[in-house]
Amino acid sequence: GQQVMQIPQYQHVQEGEDFTTYCNSSTTLSNIQWYKQRPGGHPVFLIQLVKSGEVKKQKRLTFQFGEAKKNSSLHITATQTTDVGTYFCAPLIQGAQKLVFGQGTRLTINP
Amino acid sequence: KAGVTQTPRYLIKTRGQQVTLSCSPISGHRSVSWYQQTPGQGLQFLFEYFSETQRNKGNFPGRFSGRQFSNSRSEMNVSTLELGDSALYLCASSSGLAGGLTAYEQYFGPGTRLTVT
Repeated sequence: GQQVMQIPQYQHVQEGEDFTTYCNSSTTLSNIQWYKQRPGGHPVFLIQLVKSGEVKKQKRLTFQFGEAKKNSSLHITATQTTDVGTYFCAPLIQGAQKLVFGQGTRLTINP
Repeated sequence: KAGVTQTPRYLIKTRGQQVTLSCSPISGHRSVSWYQQTPGQGLQFLFEYFSETQRNKGNFPGRFSGRQFSNSRSEMNVSTLELGDSALYLCASSSGLAGGLTAYEQYFGPGTRLTVT
């Protein structure tokens, strides 16, 4: 079956430190979405990447799509307590027709 | 625009019973997807409906079924409940396109937390 690995599973940082989560696939992806789920909440769409090598920024968040379209990353610069939550990647596998959510990276922050 | 709504928000059932969950998508959205979220398994895709037709299906047993009505509202049914069915069931809507679940932005509802005892 399709393999989507998201690492790390957990990350604890001091407020102000940077944070990165990675999403890796064994197969080529059509595109990839990223979601954030706050504790007790539901996933909220952050962004979609489609093109090979694409880089998109949202304030302190930087999203990248690998050249081979098999991996992606989300980097947060200077984390704030509002960044707490679980970040999911959701790739669309080429040839498949459904999103496959990664296991998520749970980010906790020490203020 | 009103968001995705799900009812009920909480539910407690006993093994062997059946349950029906409801989802109302964002107005104008024709695609509704259902997901099961558990601490151990993460977010698992159940199925997707578009214009009253099941368009995609995940790897869940036949006890899990769904349907979509002409107004795009969707219901999910689980029969013969098992303890392992305890989870947060999330519904997500998107505008969708007739051709498969392309990477449209998914708007999630608050979920229904099902506990099976």
